Amino acid sequence: QVQLVQSGAEVKKPGSSVKVSCKASGDTFSTHDITWVRQAPGQGLEWMGGIIPIFGTPHYAQKFQGRVTVSADESTSTAYMELSSLKSDDTAVYFCARGRRPGYNAASDIWGQGTTVTVSS
Amino acid sequence: DIQMTQSPSSLSASVGDRVTITCRASQSIARFLNWYQQKPGMAPKLLIYDVSSLQSGVPSRFSGTGSGTDFTLTISGLQPEDFATYYCQHTYSSPQAFGQGTRLEI
Repeated sequence: QVQLVQSGAEVKKPGSSVKVSCKASGDTFSTHDITWVRQAPGQGLEWMGGIIPIFGTPHYAQKFQGRVTVSADESTSTAYMELSSLKSDDTAVYFCARGRRPGYNAASDIWGQGTTVTVSS
Repeated sequence: DIQMTQSPSSLSASVGDRVTITCRASQSIARFLNWYQQKPGMAPKLLIYDVSSLQSGVPSRFSGTGSGTDFTLTISGLQPEDFATYYCQHTYSSPQAFGQGTRLEI
């Protein structure tokens, strides 16, 4: 059974960057879309971007273009999401999730446990 | 970008009730429509993918229908564990937007 294990909680200053990792167990990492979704306190789910590791080209929501970098290391089955120029409204729980089948357009069936990022001066 | 509009935003129901949540896309998304359940402090859980396919392990009281731009999630015979927040999401193109959520309350 595939699992996604995310890195621990972070507290960051405004203007800094954060990099969250998502390590997959199992052998279906490279061909499935790994996406990043965030949830601000008391708010809904917000899709940020994703990557299919074997293709290597990330896709992003326009809202985060220029501030977010999604990457993946096939050798360690780990995906990363880096968000720069942090603001207080970036305070949220950040989830990684895996597409249920290879390729694009897939629903996310496996989710990480979430990483809380707090942005505060 | 494709926008997803869910209704209602909240819903009160009782154990045993049948409830329906709707989701409308701002343009056709073919069959790339998924439904998730989320409980407080937890990651979302996939219930339905590609409009009507039941994810493995999900009870058959959950069902989905629709096509094009209009979709519904139906829960037949609510159980206590079903009280949660439900989200639709399209995976037709990037960004793969979510609806704003429907909070199902007792």
